[in-house]
Amino acid sequence: GENVEQHPSTLSVQEGDSAVIKCTYSDSASNYFPWYKQELGKRPQLIIDIRSNVGEKKDQRIAVTLNKTAKHFSLHITETQPEDSAVYFCAAIFFSGGSYIPTFGRGTSLIVHP
Amino acid sequence: DVKVTQSSRYLVKRTGEKVFLECVQDMDHENMFWYRQDPGLGLRLIYFSYDVKMKEKGDIPEGYSVSREKKERFSLILESASTNQTSMYLCASSSAGGGEKLFFGSGTQLSVL
Repeated sequence: GENVEQHPSTLSVQEGDSAVIKCTYSDSASNYFPWYKQELGKRPQLIIDIRSNVGEKKDQRIAVTLNKTAKHFSLHITETQPEDSAVYFCAAIFFSGGSYIPTFGRGTSLIVHP
Repeated sequence: DVKVTQSSRYLVKRTGEKVFLECVQDMDHENMFWYRQDPGLGLRLIYFSYDVKMKEKGDIPEGYSVSREKKERFSLILESASTNQTSMYLCASSSAGGGEKLFFGSGTQLSVL
């Protein structure tokens, strides 16, 4: 199956700084890479995703980059705000048992200090 | 609005009890998943189902079973609860295909005493 490594496990930044979270995956057949944000006490929610035929995707202050050759992808948050504080999970999707299975990284706890 | 509903937000059970965690989705999704969330370990897949009456083992199926008798409902069963199954359990669903968004339930925090 797929294995997804995510770093760092904790990231502390000052408001206005940028934050970068990195993930690597093992299955070269994986072709869809979503990022989920989980605020304290809430369910994970998709914030951005990227497919294997795209190298970069942006949505306002959030961007994701993908390097298929190196099998890694990253989440970039610019001009961080306190409401960006949350746990972020990356995932890679691989095909198994007749379906596409999301495998998650261990999560990054992002703390944005005002 | 899309909904994935888990029957209990908090649950306290005794060691050895049989425990049922229920999940219902209203989006006519083919795929349903059960994840376990523990601090520092992320989201680990227990079981998933891509069709009614179909089930597949995930990464940590030991001590668990599942049931999917109807498309909208996916149940996780702990046959004999143990203290190491104390955790947050998250159900999710998605439509068929290789790149579809997961919708999560709000989770069930299970404590086994």
